[in-house]
Amino acid sequence: KAGVTQTPRYLIKTRGQQVTLSCSPISGHRSVSWYQQTPGQGLQFLFEYFSETQRNKGNFPGRFSGRQFSNSRSEMNVSTLELGDSALYLCASSRDSEEKLFFGSGTQLSVL
Amino acid sequence: KNEVEQSPQNLTAQEGEFITINCSYSVGISALHWLQQHPGGGIVSLFMLSSGKKKHGRLIATINIQEKHSSLHITASHPRDSAVYICAVAGSGSRLTFGEGTQLTVNP
Repeated sequence: KAGVTQTPRYLIKTRGQQVTLSCSPISGHRSVSWYQQTPGQGLQFLFEYFSETQRNKGNFPGRFSGRQFSNSRSEMNVSTLELGDSALYLCASSRDSEEKLFFGSGTQLSVL
Repeated sequence: KNEVEQSPQNLTAQEGEFITINCSYSVGISALHWLQQHPGGGIVSLFMLSSGKKKHGRLIATINIQEKHSSLHITASHPRDSAVYICAVAGSGSRLTFGEGTQLTVNP
């Protein structure tokens, strides 16, 4: 069974640009959640999607958005990038909410 | 004060030692996760528990809901256990609040 796949693995952008990150969950998993990890703030919850609906949202500005497709694949978008958005972005999938999470390898975003 | 506090922040042990990492939280939770992160960023979920105790191989996790406290134990530690161990609490669904992590180094 394939694991959680995140693409791309690395990304370099400049301030003001926008970026889209992709997450393909394990087959059969309907919940996808996104997290940001930085050296200063550690791991922080961004949002969770379940069956194409956003279930939970963390305390991030509106520049951070996401969506989930009917095949459970999810994308997150960050618009008007700032230097502070440089981080490792991780997604995780589970069969349902409140079940064991399976993490992807993450996308390392650098904003210059 | 952080909602999730882990101790110690750093831990160095000799191979074979018994290791304990502690996690205290201050909010109501539906579940508590113990995660392992190796250099390079990959995170593996070790345990998800809402009561009692779970065991997997040399790893044991316990939780005391009344005291809002959980412990992760590693028996017969090995250098391959070297990693960052992260406690995370779930308030709702997969909305996790994370501790700062414990950097464990096991020397041969």
